[in-house]
Amino acid sequence: ETGVTQSPTHLIKTRGQQVTLRCSSQSGHNTVSWYQQALGQGPQFIFQYYREEENGRGNFPPRFSGLQFPNYSSELNVNALELDDSALYLCASSFEGVNGYTFGSGTRLTVV
Amino acid sequence: EDQVTQSPEALRLQEGESSSLNCSYTVSGLRGLFWYRQDPGKGPEFLFTLYSAGEEKEKERLKATLTKKESFLHITAPKPEDSATYLCVSGSARQLTFGSGTQLTVLP
Repeated sequence: ETGVTQSPTHLIKTRGQQVTLRCSSQSGHNTVSWYQQALGQGPQFIFQYYREEENGRGNFPPRFSGLQFPNYSSELNVNALELDDSALYLCASSFEGVNGYTFGSGTRLTVV
Repeated sequence: EDQVTQSPEALRLQEGESSSLNCSYTVSGLRGLFWYRQDPGKGPEFLFTLYSAGEEKEKERLKATLTKKESFLHITAPKPEDSATYLCVSGSARQLTFGSGTQLTVLP
């Protein structure tokens, strides 16, 4: 049984650019959610996908968007990057959104 | 709006000195209350899920308990390798809500 894998592990982008982060969910999991974690803070919920449909969204602007694919892998896209977008981005998967969520190791995004 | 508050923000213990971490929550439609451990630069690692008031779960030196408004993570005789940030998380149908975490340091 494989866990959640995220790519890339580290990324440096310039303000105003666009970025795509990727997540492969754990085998058998159909729910994927994304989180932004600033240094020294708890993760903040961005959005959740269940069977390819977004079924929950946190307080993030529309320039944060996502997709879930038929194999339940997922992408997080961020347009018009701002310096404050620098953070660790975490992906988590679960089956039906219950029980424990399994987290990936995250993508460290630095916007300069 | 769902809220999860953890205290203390930071805790320093001597090896073998037992203590408790507190989590208070206000959640609409709680499906589960989770505890995670997070090491620096890594993703959270699942520890426990609690579903109903009165429930308790144990794993090695850790024991998690749940009431209708709070959850506690008890650490018995901690070791330096227990040093990490412990996150309390509420789960509803559509999202997880995280507390800010308690940064635990266990000194040898």
